[in-house]
Amino acid sequence: GAVVSQHPSRVICKSGTSVKIECRSLDFQATTMFWYRQFPKKSLMLMATSNEGSKATYEQGVEKDKFLINHASLTLSTLTVTSAHPEDSSFYICSAFRMEDGEQYFGPGTRLTVT
Amino acid sequence: AQSVTQLGSHVSVSEGALVLLRCNYSSSVPPYLFWYVQYPNQGLQLLLKYTSAATLVKGINGFEAEFKKSETSFHLTKPSAHMSDAAEYFCAVSERPNAGNMLTFGGGTRLMVKP
Repeated sequence: GAVVSQHPSRVICKSGTSVKIECRSLDFQATTMFWYRQFPKKSLMLMATSNEGSKATYEQGVEKDKFLINHASLTLSTLTVTSAHPEDSSFYICSAFRMEDGEQYFGPGTRLTVT
Repeated sequence: AQSVTQLGSHVSVSEGALVLLRCNYSSSVPPYLFWYVQYPNQGLQLLLKYTSAATLVKGINGFEAEFKKSETSFHLTKPSAHMSDAAEYFCAVSERPNAGNMLTFGGGTRLMVKP
């Protein structure tokens, strides 16, 4: 089956630093990947759509300068949280769209804690 | 605009009992509806989806859901719960039949199965 990985699974960083989260499609190519944020006891909120070789499309209210997305290859998209603050602490989940079956496949998520 | 409401953030059933997880949606266009399951430390996995064909949709692991337009509902059921069904379940809606388009998620329901 289609597998999507995320690294790291958990990260703790100090306020003001930046942290990068990787999303990889391990056995298929994905021209489109999605980044979601999940608050405690809340639903997944789409942050942005990442397209290989072009700029990401951000949802309303998401600061593109704070959440930098790079989709440099057909199997890798990265989300960098710049100048992180405690309010950025959350669970970040990515998904990758597989053309062969038209489905999104989700990564296991990354728990970010900013102290 | 689309939205999804999942009634009950936690549902507890006994092993062997009926599972019923509720999902109501709001959509200005004919909706495409999905149920995903998330096991601890794993990504979301597609259980089933409704794409305007049969209103009763059968999915994996014995789950099924029925699309009821008059009630704007897409409740998930399983006749007999297993311990392995304990997980977080998400209902989602999209404007497109394949999940490559943006998904709007409900808040999730945590299913607990008692022995």
